[in-house]
Amino acid sequence: DTEVTQTPKHLVMGMTNKKSLKCEQHMGHRAMYWYKQKAKKPPELMFVYSYEKLSINESVPSRFSPECPNSSLLNLHLHALQPEDSALYLCASSQEGEGYTFGSGTRLTVV
Amino acid sequence: GENVEQHPSTLSVQEGDSAVIKCTYSDSASNYFPWYKQELGKGPQLIIDIRSNVGEKKDQRIAVTLNKTAKHFSLHITETQPEDSAVYFCAASWGRTALIFGKGTTLSVSS
Repeated sequence: DTEVTQTPKHLVMGMTNKKSLKCEQHMGHRAMYWYKQKAKKPPELMFVYSYEKLSINESVPSRFSPECPNSSLLNLHLHALQPEDSALYLCASSQEGEGYTFGSGTRLTVV
Repeated sequence: GENVEQHPSTLSVQEGDSAVIKCTYSDSASNYFPWYKQELGKGPQLIIDIRSNVGEKKDQRIAVTLNKTAKHFSLHITETQPEDSAVYFCAASWGRTALIFGKGTTLSVSS
């Protein structure tokens, strides 16, 4: 299994809502990542988990809260988002800093 | 931190021609250089990667070259086909740090 699975594929939420994005991989990778991608731009790093511990937080606002329940799962909890947070949110995993595999992303729209 | 420059931002070729995309990186410690293809509505897909101890790598119609001294690496696609049309991103990382992406190249292959 060489896939990273993200759910949901699309999400529309109001600015007062609370929602979660989910990511799952079964490749045995020990590093997992959240990236944010705006239209016509490259992916921008948000968070890195290494061996289930948060190792990098790229100064992301607290309305984004990551969670790594186990080595296969990664969540991104969303609360009180702004319209400018609308983007494609990508999950990725890697082993020893190589072979990064991306999911198809969650297309988030904040209304 | 690492900075990756990518050129050109757009590239149009005729089917059967070759396409070359170039990237430069700033951090001499970077040692892993992948290339991703992203189609509309999908996540980035790894197409080829190279480590700093290798100068060139080839996989069928795709090749990547690395010049560590000049800190640049290039993607070469030969015999281009319409299905090669997509956005291509180069990236760089060091050790277990996360990928830093170039700004992307939109490749259009016309038949």
